[in-house]
Amino acid sequence: AIQMTQSPSSLSASVGDRVTITCRASQGIRNDLGWYQQKPGKAPKLLIYAASSLQSGVPSRFSGSGSGADFTLTISSLQPEDFATYYCLQDYNYPRTFGQGTKVEIK
Amino acid sequence: EVQLLVSGGDLVQPGGSLRLSCAASGFTFSSYAMSWVRQAPGKGLEWVSVITGAGGSTSYTDSVKGRFTISRDNSKNTLFLQMNSLRADDTAVYYCVRYVGGKGLDYWGQGTLVTVSS
Repeated sequence: AIQMTQSPSSLSASVGDRVTITCRASQGIRNDLGWYQQKPGKAPKLLIYAASSLQSGVPSRFSGSGSGADFTLTISSLQPEDFATYYCLQDYNYPRTFGQGTKVEIK
Repeated sequence: EVQLLVSGGDLVQPGGSLRLSCAASGFTFSSYAMSWVRQAPGKGLEWVSVITGAGGSTSYTDSVKGRFTISRDNSKNTLFLQMNSLRADDTAVYYCVRYVGGKGLDYWGQGTLVTVSS
């Protein structure tokens, strides 16, 4: 199975900060990667698919980039509602695999 | 509006069985692959299984192969997960999720808690 490694595991940031989360695949996965946001007690929500496509209804401050094995999720200006845990998911082959998550906390 | 209503979570003893159901509405159920994703308490997300829209093809993560079976009844717009030989490490919230090729897991149900304990 493809291993997905996210970094950092957690970070502290302030409202208005630019935040970057990375995800590395153990092999090339083209651009078959999605990013998900999960708030405590809630189901995850799709933010980005195909590495850089914004899901409908997701604010434009979220963006994704990368291809091959290295990917990035960027939040251009962190808002109070963005404090959550973020996961990457490879959509390249089965079994699908998630990264371990990155918790974004208030500084 | 897409809705995925999950039911069937419960407390079960190790070695026991449980069947989860997911009732779908708001979209043409048979046109979409469906997945199960789980999350152990305080842990990250784990992809469990997928089934194609017609139900002819399935895939599982290694840890549940031979124990879990995903299936669907398109006449009733319902997805199932039959879980046998349950272990303590199967304890998790189980989410029913719609899958779109090239897009990923776009709609998630509310989740149901499965607890495996004696």
